[in-house]
Amino acid sequence: EVQLVQSGAEVKKPGESLRISCKGSGYSFSNYWIGWVRQMPGKGLEWMGIIYPGDSDTRYSPSFQGQVAISADKSISTAYLQWSSLKASDTAMYYCARLAGSFSWNGGNYFDYWGQGTLVTVSS
Amino acid sequence: EIVLTQSPGTLSLSPGERATLSCRASQSVSSSSLAWYQQKPGQAPRLLIYGASSRATAIPDRFSGSGSGTDFTLTISRLEPEDFAVYYCQQYGSSLLTFGGGTKVEIK
Repeated sequence: EVQLVQSGAEVKKPGESLRISCKGSGYSFSNYWIGWVRQMPGKGLEWMGIIYPGDSDTRYSPSFQGQVAISADKSISTAYLQWSSLKASDTAMYYCARLAGSFSWNGGNYFDYWGQGTLVTVSS
Repeated sequence: EIVLTQSPGTLSLSPGERATLSCRASQSVSSSSLAWYQQKPGQAPRLLIYGASSRATAIPDRFSGSGSGTDFTLTISRLEPEDFAVYYCQQYGSSLLTFGGGTKVEIK
């Protein structure tokens, strides 16, 4: 059974750093892109970026480029989303999700499995 | 960047009624790259439809997707109580993924 299990909720102060995680199981973690999606309180879904754990090829949405860092450690089947200096506006639920396809024009560019979400609260 | 506009923002219907949700793209989208998701309160999104019209695993056949080019539709033929939720479309284009703003289907 394919599963993505995310790390627990975080409460941080502005300016602090944070790394949240997403551990995959039940499939070959290295061979599927993992994306990160933000959902601010009461709002819609926003794609942040995506990583291919096999070679750490990473792409970012222009809206999030430079604001976060995405990484992965294929040896422990885990992807990460990291902030170096949090802002109150980073308060949101963050989901990781597996991309079914190859992140190319070959199709399959949809998220077939999702993590349970990690709630990040940034408040002074 | 392709922008997806979903309408209506909210759809108020009764169980048993038909729901028709629209997703319009700012430029042409490959049908193979259009997907729909359902999200219930407090839950992660769930894949419903991929490739514009293919149902994901275990999705009931009352859910159907159609469309091409810039106009796509998600239809729920007869609303069940568990279908009241928010629905998002999503596309891939030019190495970017984008989501629509969502349509909330609420009980009338």
